[in-house]
Amino acid sequence: GAGVSQSPRYKVAKRGQDVALRCDPISGHVSLFWYQQALGQGPEFLTYFQNEAQLDKSGLPSDRFFAERPEGSVSTLKIQRTQQEDSAVYLCASSLSRLQRGVNEQFFGPGTRLTVL
Amino acid sequence: AQKITQTQPGMFVQEKEAVTLDCTYDTSDQSYGLFWYKQPSSGEMIFLIYQGSYDEQNATEGRYSLNFQKARKSANLVISASQLGDSAMYFCAMREVASGGSNYKLTFGKGTLLTVNP
Repeated sequence: GAGVSQSPRYKVAKRGQDVALRCDPISGHVSLFWYQQALGQGPEFLTYFQNEAQLDKSGLPSDRFFAERPEGSVSTLKIQRTQQEDSAVYLCASSLSRLQRGVNEQFFGPGTRLTVL
Repeated sequence: AQKITQTQPGMFVQEKEAVTLDCTYDTSDQSYGLFWYKQPSSGEMIFLIYQGSYDEQNATEGRYSLNFQKARKSANLVISASQLGDSAMYFCAMREVASGGSNYKLTFGKGTLLTVNP
């Protein structure tokens, strides 16, 4: 497919477990973003990659959250020792360019719904 | 401080009528971009329309238009001839210029749930 894909679509974890969420951006897209969307809220920024470089991780809520994009394409968001407050939809988005001019819209994946019991 | 404000948690509109979804924003930057996204119940965010802060004309994309009033810092979305498939959450978002110029994360509002009635 030509869009952003994410896996798994749904993840149930017991409190304290580690989870890994995968994002496959659109081929050739330089920029990749992770957002967290709590129930009934808008997405909130977590972290940003430009190719393989993580340029901004200011939105990661704690040091239990870690993201990587080692080869500049697929990205993984890892959450260690999950807590109930981590329950949310995790959205991945990619955009073609690093430039800020013009539309350069972000294309979103379907998200991974994480439920921590 | 909240940067994107959507004051309408929910809106109802009759099929084939027009509806306006409100969005106000707060920024001290001169250069920024405003976006509207649609999120159906399936969860995926769908880009609808974009307005750059320096664009003099209001953006239009098919049935979507953006009523951009820069002095009032508002960027309302107008949907004309509503269809049943327009029922969804709608999010207004702003892209600001960050230090270094290359980071352009989006800041979203809380959204408006639009219901189109037959």
